[in-house]
Amino acid sequence: DIQMTQSPSSVSASVGDRVTITCRASQDISTYLAWYQHIPGKAPKLLIYGASTLQSGVPSRFSGSGSGTDFTLTISSLQPEDFATYYCQQANSFPRTFGGGTRVEIK
Amino acid sequence: QVQLVQSGTEVKKPGASVKVSCKASGYTFTSYGITWLRQALGQGLEWMGWISAYNGNTNGNTNYAQKFQGRVTLTTDTSTSTAYMELRSLTSDDTAVYFCALELGIRLDYWGQGTLLTVSS
Repeated sequence: DIQMTQSPSSVSASVGDRVTITCRASQDISTYLAWYQHIPGKAPKLLIYGASTLQSGVPSRFSGSGSGTDFTLTISSLQPEDFATYYCQQANSFPRTFGGGTRVEIK
Repeated sequence: QVQLVQSGTEVKKPGASVKVSCKASGYTFTSYGITWLRQALGQGLEWMGWISAYNGNTNGNTNYAQKFQGRVTLTTDTSTSTAYMELRSLTSDDTAVYFCALELGIRLDYWGQGTLLTVSS
């Protein structure tokens, strides 16, 4: 199975800050990488797929980059509604696997 | 619009089984697969398995996480556009919110609202 390692596990930030989350795959997954936002009590929401394609309706302050084994999710200017947990997931092969999550907290 | 509507909260005793449903609408059910995931309290998202809605759980059209092999069965009913996840031999570790999601190739575009399963004696 492909292991997905996210860092950091949590980050404290203020509104307006730039936040960067990294995700590393245990083997080459090309650009078969998606990012999800999860707010407790709600269903997870797709933000980015194909490593860098912004899902329709997602604000442009979210961006993704990377290929192969190293990937990044960036929130350019954190907004109050962005405080949540973020997960990367590889879609290169079955079984699909998720990173452990990064909790973005209010500073 | 695409919707996935899951069945309601379940409370089960250890050793029992549960079957959660996920009714799809707003798209051609047999065109895509359905993924099942869960999140236990305080834990991350956990991928459980995937089933092609094209021809259900016939051989080769399901994929399961090793952790759940032999204990979970995914099925579909194309006549009602409904996917099912059955989990057997429940323990307290299975207490979690279970989600279904529509997999469009490389992404999970649409999600059900989640089904809370509590396993307790």
